[in-house]
Amino acid sequence: GAGVSQSPSNKVTEKGKDVELRCDPISGHTALYWYRQSLGQGLEFLIYFQGNSAPDKSGLPSDRFSAERTGGSVSTLTIQRTQQEDSAVYLCASSLGGFGNQPQHFGDGTRLSIL
Amino acid sequence: QKEVEQNSGPLSVPEGAIASLNCTYSDRGSQSFFWYRQYSGKSPELIMFIYSNGDKEDGRFTAQLNKASQYVSLLIRDSQPSDSATYLCAVIYYGGSQGNLIFGKGTKLSVKP
Repeated sequence: GAGVSQSPSNKVTEKGKDVELRCDPISGHTALYWYRQSLGQGLEFLIYFQGNSAPDKSGLPSDRFSAERTGGSVSTLTIQRTQQEDSAVYLCASSLGGFGNQPQHFGDGTRLSIL
Repeated sequence: QKEVEQNSGPLSVPEGAIASLNCTYSDRGSQSFFWYRQYSGKSPELIMFIYSNGDKEDGRFTAQLNKASQYVSLLIRDSQPSDSATYLCAVIYYGGSQGNLIFGKGTKLSVKP
């Protein structure tokens, strides 16, 4: 079966531009998560969607970051007016249920480079 | 501040030896613990999860949980060069209506042939 799919796999853009990153979770998984991983660092939680509930945005680093999830499936993470410190690998994960005893399955990530 | 601590390593073991990876966490209320393996340039891959005190074995991997001492460990028996990767410990903390998964920064393991 298909795993978590992310696109693009790589994105290079100029400082100040907006970028959109896409995540298609595993079919049937109700929970979707976005993380950021900078070089040599651990995973930084960004945002979490569970079913139709309001998302947990507590990890978003600034108001330039936003995410939506349409129809309880595909999610888009948007970064406006990108800065060089936004350069990182952005990982999406999904799980059968919410934060709890359900393991998360990760996509291959989008490597974002801001020039 | 909820924290998950791991020794960054690198931990170097010879092929065939037992690799022992350790993780401590700060919140006694945590109930779910995960080990992920991450190869360089790749995304994390779930290896083991454990919820109860004691040992859980899966093939060459054994997860050990001690809630009283607030540590969780991963043992890899008969280590192979292909086990060389960074191992991430993750802990679910519950606060309010939902939980949050906190990752440690990972321990880099190198298995020498």
